[in-house]
Amino acid sequence: GAVVSQHPSRVICKSGTSVKIECRSLDFQATTMFWYRQFPKQSLMLMATSNEGSKATYEQGVEKDKFLINHASLTLSTLTVTSAHPEDSSFYICSARGTGASGANVLTFGAGSRLTVL
Amino acid sequence: SQQGEEDPQALSIQEGENATMNCSYKTSINNLQWYRQNSGRGLVHLILIRSNEREKHSGRLRVTLDTSKKSSSLLITASRAADTASYFCATDGSSNTGKLIFGQGTTLQVKP
Repeated sequence: GAVVSQHPSRVICKSGTSVKIECRSLDFQATTMFWYRQFPKQSLMLMATSNEGSKATYEQGVEKDKFLINHASLTLSTLTVTSAHPEDSSFYICSARGTGASGANVLTFGAGSRLTVL
Repeated sequence: SQQGEEDPQALSIQEGENATMNCSYKTSINNLQWYRQNSGRGLVHLILIRSNEREKHSGRLRVTLDTSKKSSSLLITASRAADTASYFCATDGSSNTGKLIFGQGTTLQVKP
């Protein structure tokens, strides 16, 4: 089945630094990927839709200059948290939508990346 | 809020019992999906039910959908300790972009 790899799974950084999280579709091409953020014991909040070859679409209230998304190929999207602050600490999860008609409505999720900003 | 609601927020049962979780949503939909999340992990797709379907089964899972009430339920029969996880419903808001909006989730604990 479809597999999405997310890296790193955990990262600790100092305030003011930038952190990049990668999301790769391993065995399928993902024209669209989605980035979610999840606080402890809460649901997933959609941050942005990442489209291969074009600019990401951000949800209301999400700072695009803070959370840079790049989808340079059909198998890779990256989320960069710039000038991270402790309030950016969270669990970030990516998901990918395949190009196949049968599976187009089902998302495959990465395992998530836990970011801790000191 | 972009999210629907799920109830109960937390559910604790004994192994072998059935677990029922409910989800309500706010917009019209093409389909509704249920996902499972083990603690600190990503989500795994369980089942999809289309807006013109009322009930769907997959193994020990049974999902119902009532579009007039904008609600869905997930029933897990003969629960096992390994079913312990958080369960989320997700809707597509009638879009074909693949974008999903998730409910608040139900945390299920199955005691051996």
